Amino acid sequence: TQLLEQSPQFLSIQEGENLTVYCNSSSVFSSLQWYRQEPGEGPVLLVTVVTGGEVKKLKRLTFQFGDARKDSSLHITAAQPGDTGLYLCAESGVNDYKLSFGAGTTVTVRA
Amino acid sequence: EAGVTQSPTHLIKTRGQQATLRCSPISGHTSVYWYQQALGLGLQFLLWYDEGEERNRGNFPPRFSGRQFPNYSSELNVNALELEDSALYLCASSLFVGGSYNEQFFGPGTRLTVL
Repeated sequence: TQLLEQSPQFLSIQEGENLTVYCNSSSVFSSLQWYRQEPGEGPVLLVTVVTGGEVKKLKRLTFQFGDARKDSSLHITAAQPGDTGLYLCAESGVNDYKLSFGAGTTVTVRA
Repeated sequence: EAGVTQSPTHLIKTRGQQATLRCSPISGHTSVYWYQQALGLGLQFLLWYDEGEERNRGNFPPRFSGRQFPNYSSELNVNALELEDSALYLCASSLFVGGSYNEQFFGPGTRLTVL
């Protein structure tokens, strides 16, 4: 099981600012999922990236998968208070399909 | 379409007791996964069931067990509860299509508190 490192651990910004969070590994990802989790609730799947160099957009969220498939980033444009939450990256194991999660980035967007 | 449901929402037990947590997957999903999210430890994989069979388990002691029923719902049993079992227990479901990944969709979790 490879170790997923997320940075930064905490991020606090003002409404309207942009932010980027990162997910890195020393090994190649087979695929990578990004989730957002609010306190006391389950994680909500935002996107799955599979192909190196892939870029996916979901409204104000942009997800990038590194060419070598060892890193990924999530960029939020013009953040809103509703974007507040714990952002988690996770890799699905090949053949066993269990998700291995990073420790997460806690994002707080102040109104 | 209804998402993954879990019950109960909260569960309070004392050390040494047993806890049973339940999960109903999204309609049509055959795989159910259980994860533990303890404070400071992040999300850890517990168990995976597909078509009624245990397919994989994480690095947890045997007192964590479960089963999957013919309707694909699942329950997680934790015996001989210890204080460190206090956590949010999350259930996820997916279609099992093989390949490199199956997208997993999570329920709201059961908050287990062991006193």
